[in-house]
Amino acid sequence: GAVVSQHPSWVICKSGTSVKIECRSLDFQATTMFWYRQFPKQSLMLMATSNEGSKATYEQGVEKDKFLINHASLTLSTLTVTSAHPEDSSFYICSARDDGEYNEQFFGPGTRLTVL
Amino acid sequence: AQSVTQPDIHITVSEGASLELRCNYSYGATPYLFWYVQSPGQGLQLLLKYFSGDTLVQGIKGFEAEFKRSQSSFNLRKPSVHWSDAAEYFCAVGAVSGYALNFGKGTSLLVTP
Repeated sequence: GAVVSQHPSWVICKSGTSVKIECRSLDFQATTMFWYRQFPKQSLMLMATSNEGSKATYEQGVEKDKFLINHASLTLSTLTVTSAHPEDSSFYICSARDDGEYNEQFFGPGTRLTVL
Repeated sequence: AQSVTQPDIHITVSEGASLELRCNYSYGATPYLFWYVQSPGQGLQLLLKYFSGDTLVQGIKGFEAEFKRSQSSFNLRKPSVHWSDAAEYFCAVGAVSGYALNFGKGTSLLVTP
């Protein structure tokens, strides 16, 4: 089956530093990937849509200069949280849309970010 | 705009009892509907999905869901709950297959002995 991986699975960083999270589709190509954010005991909220070879599309209220997204290949999208602050602590989940026949979306296992 | 409502924040059932988790959606056309399960600290696992066709959908782990257009509902059911089913359940709606999903707030399921 289609597998999406995320790295790292968890990260702890100091306030003011930048953190990069990778999302990879392991056995399929994904022109489009999505980044979601989940606060404790809350639902997933779409942050942005990542498109290979073009700029990401951000949802209203999401700072594009703070959450940098790069989708450099058909199997990799990265989310960089720049100058992280404690309020950025969250669970970040990516998903990738299979470019194949069924166009389905598959979710990664998530990355837990804690900013001290 | 799409929206998803899961009316129950928490549900507690006894092991072996039946389960129904409610989901109502708001969308102008026929939506793509999903149920996901999330264990603590884990990612999402797809239980089942509805795109078209038979309105009763069978999923993994013994779950099923029924799409009722007249009620704008997509309730998840299981005839006999196991302790391992305790988790957070999310209903989600999408406009088109493979596009970003709009999630409900989730229902936390507790299973008692």
